[in-house]
Amino acid sequence: QKEVEQNSGPLSVPEGAIASLNCTYSDRGSQSFFWYRQYSGKSPELIMSIYSNGDKEDGRFTAQLNKASQYVSLLIRDSQPSDSATYLCAVGWGGAQKLVFGQGTRLTINP
Amino acid sequence: SAVISQKPSRDICQRGTSLTIQCQVDSQVTMMFWYRQQPGQSLTLIATANQGSEATYESGFVIDKFPISRPNLTFSTLTVSNMSPEDSSIYLCSVEREGQYLYFGPGTRLTVL
Repeated sequence: QKEVEQNSGPLSVPEGAIASLNCTYSDRGSQSFFWYRQYSGKSPELIMSIYSNGDKEDGRFTAQLNKASQYVSLLIRDSQPSDSATYLCAVGWGGAQKLVFGQGTRLTINP
Repeated sequence: SAVISQKPSRDICQRGTSLTIQCQVDSQVTMMFWYRQQPGQSLTLIATANQGSEATYESGFVIDKFPISRPNLTFSTLTVSNMSPEDSSIYLCSVEREGQYLYFGPGTRLTVL
């Protein structure tokens, strides 16, 4: 049984600070890693993907992957109230049809 | 990127009835995926719909309860049959992008009384 674990939160971060979201996964054969953002009442949208060890930066977002520790994280710099959402970690090992989602972390950015 | 539309966007249904959810994609895709998101929960894959073949269901989901049609490369339907309050969820249609990730439609919010 492939599992993806996230702290469900809620995680509360002051505006302008760095928000750090974490995810662990059980299958060492996992090949692809994604972070989705889901606003309340909306469907998930992809914000970051990462496939190899290390950091990947896109604007205020940085995804970090450590396959040895089976750990993937998302950092949000200069957090804004508009970043308040649930963040879902997804892990795959062979195409989109094999994605497994974590339970999501609810993030609140306080002005 | 693809545009996905779903109908209805939301519905309130009575126990024992059935609801058919439609998913339309603006480009041809090989696989379409149906997910369920129960209140406060993550996403669970119900089935994969391929054009021209039977849908492939995940463990815990059966065709009698969730029949799926895939008549062409841009359209699919999911029926939630003989509904109970436990079926109250968001149902999401999605397609694969770049062979790696999922792109989701807006979802159908179903409440069963």
